[in-house]
This record gives sequence, C-alpha cells and structure tokens, in this order.
Amino acid sequence: EDQVTQSPEALRLQEGESSSLNCSYTVSGLRGLFWYRQDPGKGPEFLFTLYSAGEEKEKERLKATLTKKESFLHITAPKPEDSATYLCAVEYGNNRLAFGKGNQVVVIP
Amino acid sequence: GAGVSQTPSNKVTEKGKYVELRCDPISGHTALYWYRQSLGQGPEFLIYFQGTGAADDSGLPNDRFFAVRPEGSVSTLKIQRTERGDSAVYLCASSFQGRDSPLHFGNGTRLTVT
Repeated sequence: EDQVTQSPEALRLQEGESSSLNCSYTVSGLRGLFWYRQDPGKGPEFLFTLYSAGEEKEKERLKATLTKKESFLHITAPKPEDSATYLCAVEYGNNRLAFGKGNQVVVIP
Repeated sequence: GAGVSQTPSNKVTEKGKYVELRCDPISGHTALYWYRQSLGQGPEFLIYFQGTGAADDSGLPNDRFFAVRPEGSVSTLKIQRTERGDSAVYLCASSFQGRDSPLHFGNGTRLTVT
C-alpha cells in the first residue's frame, strides 16, 4: 500500500499563476514530512521539514503546510525557474524516508 | 562547502558484470543513506549507515546488493551479477544524526545494464 501519494502528477502553470501541490500520506505516527525539489539529472534538494499538524514553513515563493493526513506546497506567483519535480517524503522508523512519485511542475513564461 | 559527491556519474555495464558505486558524504555527517530512483518514481530506500555499521539494510532488494562504509566516511555500493532490472539512478545522501538534520543528496550514479 502506498504511503505517500502526490497529486497532480504534472502541472503546467503560466508565470505568475499561483497553485498548490498535494501530498497525502497514510503512515501512522508521523515523525516528519519533507519536501524536496529535484531538477533533471540532479539529486533532490531539501526544501522543508514539517513535524506536526498546523505547522507552516515558507521559503521565497514556496509555502508548505501540514494537516493530519496531507501536506500542501503552495507556489505563489511562480517564475520559470520554479520548474522542477517536487518530491514529498515521510519519515518512518530508522531514519527511512518513503517518497511519493513527485509533482512535475512546468512554469511557462 | 562541498556537497555529497558520487562517482561515476554514469555507468554502463553488461548483464552479469560486477559494479561498484562510490559516495563521498558531506564532511562531519555521521549518517549515510543509499536510495534508488527509477524513471518517473520517487527515490526508494536501500540502506542506512550510522558510522561504520549498517543500521538498517532492509531495503536492499536481494543478496546481490551489498554496501560498506569501512572508515565511517566514504561508502561503496556493490552490485554483483547485474541484471537489466538494476538499471536506475543510485542516490547517496548524508546527514548529521538528529531530528532536525535533513538528508542532503548527491546527484546520483545513473546505472545502465545492457
């Protein structure tokens, strides 16, 4: 059974068109939820860690929020350089991360 | 400072051959992880080292896969009798120990088994 499900799989946005990415998870006893950005041919780059429902974190045009069942990554007024795959992961036992398949975002100028 | 370094960046090998993939973690990071990422998928956990010992190797798919970290720094992932299904990007990550220390990933080794 999938522990992390991300939607939508792919998203095309006009520059400046704000949107949200969803990450739903089923792991019990969440120890941490992570968002990473991955560019083609590169490794995942850490963005945020969230630990408890109601927590929010921001970095430039990105804002991550967490509820008991899901997390959202809000992209405000995106620019072409925000184009990437955004990966969500949950931590469970022994520092292991279970990743979703990612949200592939393309921002069109 | 320098990030996680993985070599080679690309490796093409024939089915049945043996390969070694190397990871140089960020200096001072005690924890080291190997993940595997197939096309269109998120990274999948393989093994976790704390210091020199493998604290959790439950993600290794079978006994053809083995990893070492003899001095608590550099790690090598070894794959014997490679199969075409082993083709993927192998990612290494490192971190400090502790709740607030996220994983920092290298750019991976793209392994292609022909």
